[in-house]
Amino acid sequence: KQEVTQIPAALSVPEGENLVLNCSFTDSAIYNLQWFRQDPGKGLTSLLLIQSSQREQTSGRLNASLDKSSGRSTLYIAASQPGDSATYLCAVVTGNQFYFGTGTSLTVIP
Amino acid sequence: NAGVTQTPKFRILKIGQSMTLQCAQDMNHNYMYWYRQDPGMGLKLIYYSVGAGITDKGEVPNGYNVSRSTTEDFPLRLELAAPSQTSVYFCASSHDPDYGYTFGSGTRLTVV
Repeated sequence: KQEVTQIPAALSVPEGENLVLNCSFTDSAIYNLQWFRQDPGKGLTSLLLIQSSQREQTSGRLNASLDKSSGRSTLYIAASQPGDSATYLCAVVTGNQFYFGTGTSLTVIP
Repeated sequence: NAGVTQTPKFRILKIGQSMTLQCAQDMNHNYMYWYRQDPGMGLKLIYYSVGAGITDKGEVPNGYNVSRSTTEDFPLRLELAAPSQTSVYFCASSHDPDYGYTFGSGTRLTVV
C-alpha cells in the first residue's frame, strides 16, 4: 500500500525567503505526482503535475522535482509572498488511485 | 466551464439520518472519485468510478454507497449517518489519471 509523507507538517518563513517542501512515497511504481494548494475551508487547486517520466516541472515561482528511484519529490517556492500562505499537499497516482500526503501548512510572514 | 460542482457546501445530519452528496462535472471525464478529508489525516479515497456503470471501492468505503448512471454525475450516499462520518468530502474527476485531476470545492458534513 502506498504511503505518502510530507515534512515538515508546518513551516513559517519571512516574506521573500526561498523555501522547499518535501514529499516522500514508499512505492516507486507511480504514474505521476501532483502538488496541490488548499486554502482554509476551500477545495484543492492543482499547482504542478509531474509525469513519471519527467524530472521536474516549473510554473512561475514554483518548481517541483521528482526522483522516482528514491521516492521523493520537492516543491521549491522562490521569493515567498504572504499570498502563498496555505496548505500544500502532494499526491501520487498508483493504479487508479490517488494517495495524498497529510500536507505542509505554510505561513509567510509579511 | 463549471468544472466539478459539489452540493451542498454544508450540511448537519442527525445520527441515523441519510443523505446524498451530489457531484457533477461538465468536462466529459470518465474517471470520478470521492475523498474524505479529516483533520491531520490527509485525504482518503472512498469510492471511484472509471466510467458510467462502473464503480469500485477505495480505502474507506464502509458506510457509503455510490452510483454512476451517467458520465456527468457521481452521487455519494450515506444511509445511516454516524459521528465518524463527520468530515469534509471532496469529489474529483479526470480525463486520464496520467494528466491530473480536478477537484470540487468540497462538502462539509457534521453528524450530531
